[in-house]
Amino acid sequence: ETGVTQSPTHLIKTRGQQVTLRCSSQSGHNTVSWYQQALGQGPQFIFQYYREEENGRGNFPPRFSGLQFPNYSSELNVNALELDDSALYLCASSSAPGLALSTDTQYFGPGTRLTVL
Amino acid sequence: RKEVEQDPGPFNVPEGATVAFNCTYSNSASQSFFWYRQDCRKEPKLLMSVYSSGNEDGRFTAQLNRASQYISLLIRDSKLSDSATYLCVVLSGGSYIPTFGRGTSLIVHP
Repeated sequence: ETGVTQSPTHLIKTRGQQVTLRCSSQSGHNTVSWYQQALGQGPQFIFQYYREEENGRGNFPPRFSGLQFPNYSSELNVNALELDDSALYLCASSSAPGLALSTDTQYFGPGTRLTVL
Repeated sequence: RKEVEQDPGPFNVPEGATVAFNCTYSNSASQSFFWYRQDCRKEPKLLMSVYSSGNEDGRFTAQLNRASQYISLLIRDSKLSDSATYLCVVLSGGSYIPTFGRGTSLIVHP
């Protein structure tokens, strides 16, 4: 096991609602990245947090937002849910700062499966 | 054209076979390349980084062809446990945003 945990494991919401997903990093890791993986697709990078600051963002609208806390755990918030937001949301933690270094040192959590009806 | 493209497969091979996957990328300024493995309903895990000179890890060999803008993964002596989806990842120059391909499914049968 990687030591990265996510909650909840499954979630069902309706269109227009808001959702908060949580991620606890592996011990000693200060960088967290969030990804969205639709069925049959690869993970898509949403954003990364390093020491509580956003450190890079993919092509996602502002209704996707995040936070990182002093203990390096993290939240992903999605407002005004749409049907297309249904996906597996993965977080990955790393001890390496920044995108350039973290992709080959990151460990993924098991994900939260979000269904939007 | 998608930034990172993979043949989704599935590649159906017998145990002991050698199988190769390619992954093409469109941004010539891409800097770093990786292969991840994802088992069914599990999280992705790093398989190996891809170095310019090519690199090998046991039965797995990764190659980079910058001129033709693709990376490859070769698996020799396939095992049943190699059955999984193999995702390529490309970091674009400058932003270093990781872009995953959609993955190639491998099924190794007895």
